[in-house]
Amino acid sequence: EPEVTQTPSHQVTQMGQEVILRCVPISNHLYFYWYRQILGQKVEFLVSFYNNEISEKSEIFDDQFSVERPDGSNFTLKIRSTKLEDSAMYFCAGAVMRGEQYFGPGTRLTVT
Amino acid sequence: AQSVTQLDSHVSVSEGTPVLLRCNYSSSYSPSLFWYVQHPNKGLQLLLKYTSAATLVKGINGFEAEFKKSETSFHLTKPSAHMSDAAEYFCVVSDPGSWGKLQFGAGTQVVVTP
Repeated sequence: EPEVTQTPSHQVTQMGQEVILRCVPISNHLYFYWYRQILGQKVEFLVSFYNNEISEKSEIFDDQFSVERPDGSNFTLKIRSTKLEDSAMYFCAGAVMRGEQYFGPGTRLTVT
Repeated sequence: AQSVTQLDSHVSVSEGTPVLLRCNYSSSYSPSLFWYVQHPNKGLQLLLKYTSAATLVKGINGFEAEFKKSETSFHLTKPSAHMSDAAEYFCVVSDPGSWGKLQFGAGTQVVVTP
């Protein structure tokens, strides 16, 4: 059964550094999402991506964040200058249609 | 705006006894509702979904949920808990007018004792 994969599983970075989190969605998915879960808090929506552009984003997704799908397979989330409060588990998800989403195992980002 | 409230942060059950995880939703529209499960160090797995068809929804691993519009509830049940059901469970709502954005509840941690 196809799965969503994410790399790396754990990323440690220093404050102010750029990080890129990578996701490979299931091949027939058309809608792509990033969510994050800060330790002890709810899973929060960051951004949705469809037809090679952002379709919706939350207030968390400010100018420090960007997403792209450069080669039709990988779906990346870039944080330009990380802050301590960006430490969280980041989940990628994909869907054939809006609603029913399939999640990857997550990348734990630790900013020191 | 839509939201979900999971009424229990922790539930402890004995193996072989029923499981009930409670969820209430708030939505301006006819919502799509989901239950996801997260086992330790694993991703979020879809258990079941409600999208305005049958109000009693059957999912994987023997779980089911009933959509009750009058009570704005979508409680998750399983007749007999198994040790492998120990995990965190999330009630989730999606606004049909959005691009599929999911709004998560705070989660219910389920502990299963032998």
